[in-house]
Amino acid sequence: DQQVKQNSPSLSVQEGRISILNCDYTNSMFDYFLWYKKYPAEGPTFLISISSIKDKNEDGRFTVFLNKSAKHLSLHIVPSQPGDSAVYFCAASISGNTGKLIFGQGTTLQVKP
Amino acid sequence: NAGVMQNPRHLVRRRGQEARLRCSPMKGHSHVYWYRQLPEEGLKFMVYLQKENIIDESGMPKERFSAEFPKEGPSILRIQQVVRGDSAAYFCASSPPQGVNEKLFFGSGTQLSVL
Repeated sequence: DQQVKQNSPSLSVQEGRISILNCDYTNSMFDYFLWYKKYPAEGPTFLISISSIKDKNEDGRFTVFLNKSAKHLSLHIVPSQPGDSAVYFCAASISGNTGKLIFGQGTTLQVKP
Repeated sequence: NAGVMQNPRHLVRRRGQEARLRCSPMKGHSHVYWYRQLPEEGLKFMVYLQKENIIDESGMPKERFSAEFPKEGPSILRIQQVVRGDSAAYFCASSPPQGVNEKLFFGSGTQLSVL
């Protein structure tokens, strides 16, 4: 039962263009969503998050959009840089279930110079 | 301020042996979580601990796996009588004690290989 899904295993974009990573969820109880970035042989690093009371959160080049009716969120990276090449994980949680994050399978982003 | 420290980075065990994975949380963090990542999959929650207490172990396999976070020292994830299916990356994460902050800080993981 995959409650958080990232249907694109990989994405390749040109440096300077926009990267859009998508994530779908099924559990309507989720009210907090996070994106993590992971380089090989390292642990996931927190990137950006959004509460279900918002539909957009922006931090520099990174913006997360939440569409609750569609149970869909996306991460936009603009402009994309080669150093952004990594695996991106979407995660969701229910307030009160502190630390119990449900992760998607990940999307490998490659930004070509 | 050191991050979450995990050791060893790589651990090789033969079937039937025991594996012990260690995790020291970030300074000031009293909540520890263990996650497992199987090949080609996302991270799966295993257990959530506070000092001397297991808060949520709903993701732990019923047999052979145990976790502790003693008053002194690191958190330990113990896998008895390992099997090949236990081969995975095991990540520890920590968070501070206060607030509703779901952001976790992860260690670099322990890659367990069972021969």
